[in-house]
Amino acid sequence: GAGVSQSPSNKVTEKGKDVELRCDPISGHTALYWYRQSLGQGLEFLIYFQGNSAPDKSGLPSDRFSAERTGGSVSTLTIQRTQQEDSAVYLCASSLDTGSTPLHFGNGTRLTVT
Amino acid sequence: SQQGEEDPQALSIQEGENATMNCSYKTSINNLQWYRQNSGRGLVHLILIRSNEREKHSGRLRVTLDTSKKSSSLLITASRAADTASYFCATGTGNQFYFGTGTSLTVIP
Repeated sequence: GAGVSQSPSNKVTEKGKDVELRCDPISGHTALYWYRQSLGQGLEFLIYFQGNSAPDKSGLPSDRFSAERTGGSVSTLTIQRTQQEDSAVYLCASSLDTGSTPLHFGNGTRLTVT
Repeated sequence: SQQGEEDPQALSIQEGENATMNCSYKTSINNLQWYRQNSGRGLVHLILIRSNEREKHSGRLRVTLDTSKKSSSLLITASRAADTASYFCATGTGNQFYFGTGTSLTVIP
């Protein structure tokens, strides 16, 4: 596709349920990032993938959060046993390289935990 | 925190006026980028300035970088209603990008 695609665009789930969020990066982009944006806040780094290297998971807030990137392309962010404080917009971004090239963002998944 | 911080948090101007937003950061950087976010959308890259650059222009945008003060400014000239959005600076260090909390700009027609 022409841009980064995220699905679903909206997700409402009950507290305690697991959710999976999907990100399709731009073809050929080797770097993929997940960020979390709470209402009216900046972006909180969660995890970063670069090619076949081990991901940088330093931003994941708890062990309930995990992510994988299959075949160096599509990525899935999984939140287990969701809590109300997990409610936020989850943004995915990809870039050609790391550190010095622009990030291309998807429109995000708005997660609401009731 | 390594995040940049934008100032002001909110800015409201009349169409045609210039808008200036500032960003301060704490650590050494390779580059600094500015992004725009319209309501309910992802961020869109506006401009990147490298640590060895002092000023950069792109259309109606002018970005300055002062590494000695660890600060940057974004100037939007001749603002339009369509410029209404939140603006974020992001500092690049190695493989990481750290975003500030943003400036919410409202341009009144």
